[in-house]
Amino acid sequence: DADVTQTPRNRITKTGKRIMLECSQTKGHDRMYWYRQDPGLGLRLIYYSFDVKDINKGEISDGYSVSRQAQAKFSLSLESAIPNQTALYFCATGGEKSNQPQHFGDGTRLSIL
Amino acid sequence: GIQVEQSPPDLILQEGANSTLRCNFSDSVNNLQWFHQNPWGQLINLFYIPSGTKQNGRLSATTVATERYSLLYISSSQTTDSGVYFCAVQTGANNLFFGTGTRLTVIP
Repeated sequence: DADVTQTPRNRITKTGKRIMLECSQTKGHDRMYWYRQDPGLGLRLIYYSFDVKDINKGEISDGYSVSRQAQAKFSLSLESAIPNQTALYFCATGGEKSNQPQHFGDGTRLSIL
Repeated sequence: GIQVEQSPPDLILQEGANSTLRCNFSDSVNNLQWFHQNPWGQLINLFYIPSGTKQNGRLSATTVATERYSLLYISSSQTTDSGVYFCAVQTGANNLFFGTGTRLTVIP
C-alpha cells in the first residue's frame, strides 16, 4: 500500500460545484501539505498543516479550504470550482524536522468545465 | 521566497548517453530533493540531498550548499528515464519550493 494515498485520482466536474480531495497517510508524519501543479510549471503550495490544530495558508490559498480531520487525514476543498482551478493536485507529508524529506501521493487530476 | 532555477529546460538524448541537470537556488536551504515526474504525473523521489553526494544505480546527485547549486547525473540513459526532473528546496520549517523542471526525452 502507498504511504500517501490521494482520492480520487481523476475528477471532472462543472463550474460552481463543490469538490473535496482527500489525502491519507500511513507514515505517522505530523506535517501534511497540499500543492498544485499547472502545465509546464513546478508545484506551488496551497495549504499546509503541522498538526491537527495548526493549519496555514500557502502561496495560492485563495479559492481553497482545508480540513485536518486527524493526524493521518488532510482534505482539500474547492467551495465553488472555477475553470482556472483545473490542475494536478498533490498531497505530501513531512517528518517532524524541517530538514527531513517530503513524500508525495500520486496526484489528483482535476478538470473543471 | 527562494528562487530555484533549473537548466536546461529541455534535453533530448540518445539512449545510452550521459547527462547532467543543474539546479541553482538563491538562499541557504535545509532540504533539497530531486524528483522524476513520469508520463502519468507521478512524482518519484530520487534523492534527498541537502549537501554532499549520493548515488543510486545509474543516477547520482551532488549538492554544494555553500555555492547554492545541485547537480543530477544520469548515466547510460534509458527510454524509461524520460519525463520531467524537478529540483525542490526548503528553507526553515515550511514548504518545498520547486523549480520549473527539466524535460528529458530519451530516444531509442
